[in-house]
Amino acid sequence: GESVGLHLPTLSVQEGDNSIINCAYSNSASDYFIWYKQESGKGPQFIIDIRSNMDKRQGQRVTVLLNKTVKHLSLQIAATQPGDSAVYFCAENLSGGYNKLIFGAGTRLAVHP
Amino acid sequence: DAGVIQSPRHEVTEMGQEVTLRCKPISGHNSLFWYRQTMMRGLELLIYFNNNVPIDDSGMPEDRFSAKMPNASFSTLKIQPSEPRDSAVYFCASIFRLNTEAFFGQGTRLTVV
Repeated sequence: GESVGLHLPTLSVQEGDNSIINCAYSNSASDYFIWYKQESGKGPQFIIDIRSNMDKRQGQRVTVLLNKTVKHLSLQIAATQPGDSAVYFCAENLSGGYNKLIFGAGTRLAVHP
Repeated sequence: DAGVIQSPRHEVTEMGQEVTLRCKPISGHNSLFWYRQTMMRGLELLIYFNNNVPIDDSGMPEDRFSAKMPNASFSTLKIQPSEPRDSAVYFCASIFRLNTEAFFGQGTRLTVV
C-alpha cells in the first residue's frame, strides 16, 4: 500500500523547527479524533488521539489541540526530524454508538535538512 | 500479533474480471473497515462492520462492490466486474472497541487495465 501521490497541501519545514498541521472536521457531534501518519508504501499509522472532553493532549514530541467551537484540530510536532516527512491525516469518529472513522484530505510534511 | 494482514499486496487485472481482496483483522478487534485511497478522493470509507455485521455500507460506490465478514478473523471486498476507475489502494483497518485507534493493514494496490 502506498500514499498515492495525492495533490495535497504541503508544509515545508527545516529540521529542528516545530511543525503545526491543521485540520477542520465536519461534524459537531464527533466525539473522538485521531491523527495518523502515512509514509510511502505503508498504511496510515496512529500518532495520537483526543476525546471531545479534552482540548489538549501531549505525547512524545507531539501535541494535539482540539477547538470544538470552530471544529478545528491541530497537530504540533516539536523538533521536526527528517523521519517525520510523510502525509498526515486527521480522522473523526462520527459516533452514533459505533466506530465510523472519517478521514480528512491530508497534509504533506516535507522536512529539509 | 502480526497486525492487520491484507492480501494480495498488488493485483493487476483486466477490465471485467472479478477481484477479491482479503483482510485478517487483529485478533480480538470487533470493528473492521474497508477504505479506498485515490489521488482524487483521498481516503474514503467504503464499509464498516461491527461484530461481523455490516453497519454502514453507504460508501460503497456501486453494486459492483460487495463485502463480507463471515467470521471475526476474515473479511473480503469483491469487485465484479472490475473497471479501470476502480484502480486504487484498498486498506483494511480494525478497532478493538469504540473510540480507540484503528490499525491499518499495508493495503492492496489494485490496477485494472
